[in-house]
Amino acid sequence: DVKVTQSSRYLVKRTGEKVFLECVQDMDHENMFWYRQDPGLGLRLIYFSYDVKMKEKGDIPEGYSVSREKKERFSLILESASTNQTSMYLCASSVTRQGAIRRGEAFFGQGTRLTVV
Amino acid sequence: DAKTTQPTSMDCAEGRAANLPCNHSTISGNEYVYWYRQIHSQGPQYIIHGLKNNETNEMASLIITEDRKSSTLILPHATLRDTAVYYCIVRIYNQGGKLIFGQGTELSVKP
Repeated sequence: DVKVTQSSRYLVKRTGEKVFLECVQDMDHENMFWYRQDPGLGLRLIYFSYDVKMKEKGDIPEGYSVSREKKERFSLILESASTNQTSMYLCASSVTRQGAIRRGEAFFGQGTRLTVV
Repeated sequence: DAKTTQPTSMDCAEGRAANLPCNHSTISGNEYVYWYRQIHSQGPQYIIHGLKNNETNEMASLIITEDRKSSTLILPHATLRDTAVYYCIVRIYNQGGKLIFGQGTELSVKP
């Protein structure tokens, strides 16, 4: 089974800290995504990547950056954490290559609940 | 990607069929309809997808209207564990790009 693993389930960080959220997938998927989920706002796309070293902004990239140095790993970086970045962060991956089973389907990690104090 | 519209919430009696509607009137010819669900405190989970034909798998059935402007997800015998938020998404099948979630429908299955 596909596994998308996020490094932490819960994190508490201080305002102004640099925060790294790590995500690893084990199915050789090309695409990886970072979302945040807030009550009443649903899932909002922050950044996504369709290849190593490639990235594209989602709907709410401000205050975030990403890194994809290896295919299996996609990191979300909060350069200077703020209290309005307190949220649930979800990572996902999907495959698009021809012949792949379940092409187009996205697999999600369990999420990281980040609290910035 | 086309926008979708879903009811905010629905109730269903345990053991009955749950029919969750989705409108996607601006869907284009190469966009598929995907359904995901999110059980509380977990990441979203894929359920089913389709282009224009009806689809069925072990979890659910997907009925897409002939004009493709709307679809219905059917859980044939809802259980308490099907209580979740259900998301309808339209996207190009093999596109590496954005997967955009709307607000979804909060389904409550009641005993």
